[in-house]
Amino acid sequence: KAGVTQTPRYLIKTRGQQVTLSCSPISGHRSVSWYQQTPGQGLQFLFEYFSETQRNKGNFPGRFSGRQFSNSRSEMNVSTLELGDSALYLCASSWGQAYGYTFGSGTRLTVV
Amino acid sequence: QQQVKQSPQSLIVQKGGISIINCAYENTAFDYFPWYQQFPGKGPALLIAIRPDVSEKKEGRFTISFNKSAKQFSLHIMDSQPGDSATYFCAASLGNTGFQKLVFGTGTRLLVSP
Repeated sequence: KAGVTQTPRYLIKTRGQQVTLSCSPISGHRSVSWYQQTPGQGLQFLFEYFSETQRNKGNFPGRFSGRQFSNSRSEMNVSTLELGDSALYLCASSWGQAYGYTFGSGTRLTVV
Repeated sequence: QQQVKQSPQSLIVQKGGISIINCAYENTAFDYFPWYQQFPGKGPALLIAIRPDVSEKKEGRFTISFNKSAKQFSLHIMDSQPGDSATYFCAASLGNTGFQKLVFGTGTRLLVSP
């Protein structure tokens, strides 16, 4: 079966711009979570969506937002990009709980 | 209390040896403890996981040992192979409460020398 698909794989943006990342979960999975991975902070939870509703949110500023569509596909948006937002953004999907998360390969965002 | 502490930061093991990575947690409400393996350019992949009502779980060459009273758990990789060279993350979750997120350790970079 197809895995979690994240697009694009790589992005280069300028400070102050905004960016939208996309995640298509495994078919049938209704929960989509987003994580930020950096060398300094490791894997940090951003937010989790289930059936188009945000269930949990991590400790990130309001510039980070997301949504989930009726087909479970999810997008996350970062506005007013800062250099520190450079990271690998990972999406994970599951049936509905943290058990058995499957991660995508991520989107590498570089802010210059 | 939400933290998971992982050690060592890096590990070099000879081919055929045993790799051991340790994690400790504070929050006794955590009820799911997975280990993830990540190769460069890829997302983390679930390797093996354990619940707190079990003290050990083995899948092939990979074993999780879980000590509930000490709030520690560890990953043992038996007969380590060069293909096991990757970064390993432990994690913990409050899955049963509906708080659906994973708290990750800081990762261990494993290098298995030929």
